[in-house]
Amino acid sequence: SQKIEQNSEALNIQEGKTATLTCNYTNYSPAYLQWYRQDPGRGPVFLLLIRENEKEKRKERLKVTFDTTLKQSLFHITASQPADSATYLCALDILTGGGNKLTFGTGTQLKVEL
Amino acid sequence: NAGVTQTPKFRILKIGQSMTLQCAQDMNHNYMYWYRQDPGMGLKLIYYSVGAGITDKGEVPNGYNVSRSTTEDFPLRLELAAPSQTSVYFCASRYDREYFEQYFGPGTRLTVT
Repeated sequence: SQKIEQNSEALNIQEGKTATLTCNYTNYSPAYLQWYRQDPGRGPVFLLLIRENEKEKRKERLKVTFDTTLKQSLFHITASQPADSATYLCALDILTGGGNKLTFGTGTQLKVEL
Repeated sequence: NAGVTQTPKFRILKIGQSMTLQCAQDMNHNYMYWYRQDPGMGLKLIYYSVGAGITDKGEVPNGYNVSRSTTEDFPLRLELAAPSQTSVYFCASRYDREYFEQYFGPGTRLTVT
């Protein structure tokens, strides 16, 4: 069956450290992979998109890698801050006949402590 | 731009009642989506639309209906509400069929008792 797995346990790290979140998938061949941030009581907000032929993408303190052989994406936040505390969702952009649809993982809750 | 707007923010329904969740976007996006999010679970796609007059089922369509008469609006109808439909509902839109990000609304928290 098709599955997207993110760390189910919350990730607690100290301010200033690098947070690394994992997204693994099986039985999908996504054209793109996206990462979203979701704060409590709010809708997800787009962060980064990476294509299947890109190994790495960066935006300010954020970095995403995409390994289609391992079927894995890693999401890094460097110099983390308490304001980075949120749930982070990965989403696979699947090509279908009726238009692409995003399939979301369950998310990883990140808590950055002082 | 207001982006994606949803109404109401909260609603409590009795079993068997019906209601419509409203969603509108002012970004001239063709693609619109309805998701539900249960605690600890990911977003599940209910219905989506690739343009006015065109809708299709997602992963969990049972108990819901949609229509898309304009580019801007994509209402979700719940008929005969059941406790299993207690969830947070998010509407989203997208500029094109691939590569572009999705913009989400603030959500509607629905409780069916």
